[in-house]
Amino acid sequence: DGGITQSPKYLFRKEGQNVTLSCEQNLNHDAMYWYRQDPGQGLRLIYYSQIVNDFQKGDIAEGYSVSREKKESFPLTVTSAQKNPTAFYLCASSQGLAGGEQFFGPGTRLTVL
Amino acid sequence: GENVEQHPSTLSVQEGDSAVIKCTYSDSASNYFPWYKQELGKRPQLIIDIRSNVGEKKDQRIAVTLNKTAKHFSLHITETQPEDSAVYFCAASAGYQKVTFGIGTKLQVIP
Repeated sequence: DGGITQSPKYLFRKEGQNVTLSCEQNLNHDAMYWYRQDPGQGLRLIYYSQIVNDFQKGDIAEGYSVSREKKESFPLTVTSAQKNPTAFYLCASSQGLAGGEQFFGPGTRLTVL
Repeated sequence: GENVEQHPSTLSVQEGDSAVIKCTYSDSASNYFPWYKQELGKRPQLIIDIRSNVGEKKDQRIAVTLNKTAKHFSLHITETQPEDSAVYFCAASAGYQKVTFGIGTKLQVIP
């Protein structure tokens, strides 16, 4: 299970506040991903990045932003524009996008109060 | 874009019986089909995957079949055990494309 970490495990936010979720990997993987997991909706892709300083929107990018300044780090910011941010967020990495195993972090549960 | 449908959403089986989860995909260019298992409170982990040049793959009690013509693939678990209880996700991707996941199947193995 080691190699990719997320922090914090639980996060509480007041409405109208931005919050940043951390994701770090020491697997030397090129690709990194952010997913949102809601009951009954599976894993929905928010953003993904193939290389440093490059990232693409996934299926539900509205209200989120990311950066990829270092290969090992891919932080996700949940902005106040995200209308329903309470969810479980999973970060993942893989050697590349060409079809290969994704390694997931332990997740961050975000609750908006 | 790719669309992956997965069913059933929940599945209960008696210990020792087999379980089958089915998925369909829409993009004929998809060529990689992984299956992930997520135990309660844990992160998803890859349990088996198959590429489009293979019709079937087995790993002990787990097997995956792929029908490219019909664009569907299935996960088969034989001799189910209580520790098989989890949520299973199928997924599909086409080469250098993002992976699209199904909604998941909650499998309950009843002792």
